[in-house]
Amino acid sequence: QVQLVESGGGVVQPGRSLRLSCAASGFTFSNYAIHWFRQAPGKGLEWVAVISYDGSGKSYADSVKGRFTISRDNSNSTLYLQMSSLRAEDTAVYYCARELAIIAAGRREFDYWGQGTLVTVSS
Amino acid sequence: DIQMTQSPSSLSASVGDRVTITCRASQTISSFLNWYQQKLGRAPKLLINTASGLQSGVPSRFSGSGSGTGFTLTISSLQPEDFATYYCQQTYNPPYTFGQGTKLEIK
Repeated sequence: QVQLVESGGGVVQPGRSLRLSCAASGFTFSNYAIHWFRQAPGKGLEWVAVISYDGSGKSYADSVKGRFTISRDNSNSTLYLQMSSLRAEDTAVYYCARELAIIAAGRREFDYWGQGTLVTVSS
Repeated sequence: DIQMTQSPSSLSASVGDRVTITCRASQTISSFLNWYQQKLGRAPKLLINTASGLQSGVPSRFSGSGSGTGFTLTISSLQPEDFATYYCQQTYNPPYTFGQGTKLEIK
């Protein structure tokens, strides 16, 4: 069965760095674009970043551009999010999610999500 | 960025009720609209894709409709396990923005 498992969260001081991982299994990882989303405590969902199936394309939310870097290792079916210059407002549960896109059918959705990993930025 | 506005923000209903949640986009998004259910402490779960496509394994009491800028999610007969927060999301243009959520509570 398809599984996405995030890890790497924790408590970090403002200005420091942290790397999140998302281990995938149960599907051909290298065939799919994968996204990071986040959810601040008690708040709604926010898209963070995406990486194409082969890693050649990346895009970021304005709120993290220049500070976060998304990458992937298709040989190990793992996605990463390198977060630097962390701020208090980056405190959130971070989710990775698989994108299923059939553009000719007007379809793009996120059909599998990980359980999330909590990042707390605090001094 | 495309703004997504859900209404209501919260809703109290009873088991067996029919409920409808509305989502409006700030510009046309064709049918690139998904609905998710999120329970406390859990990841979002995809319910409806492409505005009206029922995701595999999701009960048929859930349905979606709409296109362009206006969309609805309907639950025909609420079950105890349906009390959760619901989000719409547009996937027409990045960033793939969400509505603010509708919290469905037991009356």
